[in-house]
Amino acid sequence: EVQLVESGGGLVQPGGSLRLSCAASGFTVSSNYMSWVRQAPGKGLEWVSVIYSGGSTYYADSVKGRFTISRDNSKNTLYLQMNSLRAEDTAVYYCARDRYYYDSSGYSRPFDAFDIWGQGTMVTVSS
Amino acid sequence: DIVMTQSPDSLAVSLGERATINCKSSQSVLYSSNNKNYLAWYQQKPGQPPKLLIYWASTRESGVPDRFSGSGSGTDFTLTISSLQAEDVAVYYCQQYYSTSLPTFGPGTKVDIK
Repeated sequence: EVQLVESGGGLVQPGGSLRLSCAASGFTVSSNYMSWVRQAPGKGLEWVSVIYSGGSTYYADSVKGRFTISRDNSKNTLYLQMNSLRAEDTAVYYCARDRYYYDSSGYSRPFDAFDIWGQGTMVTVSS
Repeated sequence: DIVMTQSPDSLAVSLGERATINCKSSQSVLYSSNNKNYLAWYQQKPGQPPKLLIYWASTRESGVPDRFSGSGSGTDFTLTISSLQAEDVAVYYCQQYYSTSLPTFGPGTKVDIK
């Protein structure tokens, strides 16, 4: 079964750090584009970061320089290292797989719509 | 950044009736080289992660009931639920993925039963 399971959330003080994990099963993280998307309490969805299969990484301006996305291929796990946390980072953090299609040559072409989501992990930044 | 807006903020529809949600992007999300609209729709029920319903503006994800349909092109898009069922009560989000590595979501539309 294709599945994503996040962990690592919790309560942290402003300025603190936290590392989120997202364990995948049923597919290979390193062969896919993988993203983090967050949702503040009672609010909408905000894309946070993506790591491409080739290793390139991109971030929303709101987290650039503070968050780092990475993966451990041996553990088939995605990570989000969050430093210098602020109250506005309080949210449920979801990991998600970018969907893909096969082009006419048979190559997998990912795009930033998200077909597999984890259940999310809550991060609360408060003193 | 491409800004996404949705209307209405919420709507209540009788069971079996049609529900229509609109989504507008601040710039076109139609990629001319492949004539595809880089627009997706998601459904999110309380306490659950979002679920991908539609991508390329009108392609239903596998397993999504055919009462859900997407239409539109360029900057204006619509999600239609042709015959609302009780299990369709949720918040619906549109999302553009035209901007490489900078996808953005609409604010969401809440759908309830009248």
